[in-house]
Amino acid sequence: DTAVSQTPKYLVTQMGNDKSIKCEQNLGHDTMYWYKQDSKKFLKIMFSYNNKELIINETVPNRFSPKSPDKAHLNLHINSLELGDSAVYFCASSQGTDSYEQYFGPGTRLTVT
Amino acid sequence: AQRVTQPEKLLSVFKGAPVELKCNYSYSGSPELFWYVQYSRQRLQLLLRHISRESIKGFTADLNKGETSFQVKKKFAQEEDSAMYYCALMTGNQFYFGTGTSLTVIP
Repeated sequence: DTAVSQTPKYLVTQMGNDKSIKCEQNLGHDTMYWYKQDSKKFLKIMFSYNNKELIINETVPNRFSPKSPDKAHLNLHINSLELGDSAVYFCASSQGTDSYEQYFGPGTRLTVT
Repeated sequence: AQRVTQPEKLLSVFKGAPVELKCNYSYSGSPELFWYVQYSRQRLQLLLRHISRESIKGFTADLNKGETSFQVKKKFAQEEDSAMYYCALMTGNQFYFGTGTSLTVIP
């Protein structure tokens, strides 16, 4: 039983395209996150949603737009992809905003050519 | 400004040797600190939290508020400890991760 799942696992696309990464959690958690892990393995938070409301939006280009249709899903849509967007994107969830244990998805490796 | 720093990007130790992973943080309040680990081809997962006094997989965490450092130690490293280790600081509802330390345990 996968707790946090992401699709696709790998995504290879060309510059300028628009793509989405989906995330689903079946833990009943209220808070979901998107992280970006760059080529140097640096992990940085991008967005955080609590009960479908955006609560953290770090300095991320507005080409990135999170969408939360319900509490169990937080999708990441990226417009006009650039080479620098190539990274591994991790989705995570936690019980609440003040809950410290985050459960991570397996990651989506995005390669922009 | 980077709130969490891990001074060692790469760390190699021999099997059976002690290992210590270092982390420095910048926060004026009472920190909540964690170590996360990512084994090869596995998800990032919580290893230890600073308030926990338990030992997980032989690792114990040590918070030094005076030096704003947060270490994780193990007396005898095992090959299966080879992984990427991230220190993380939680303030309010925000998480800050360090840049990670890649630990390799040499057989």
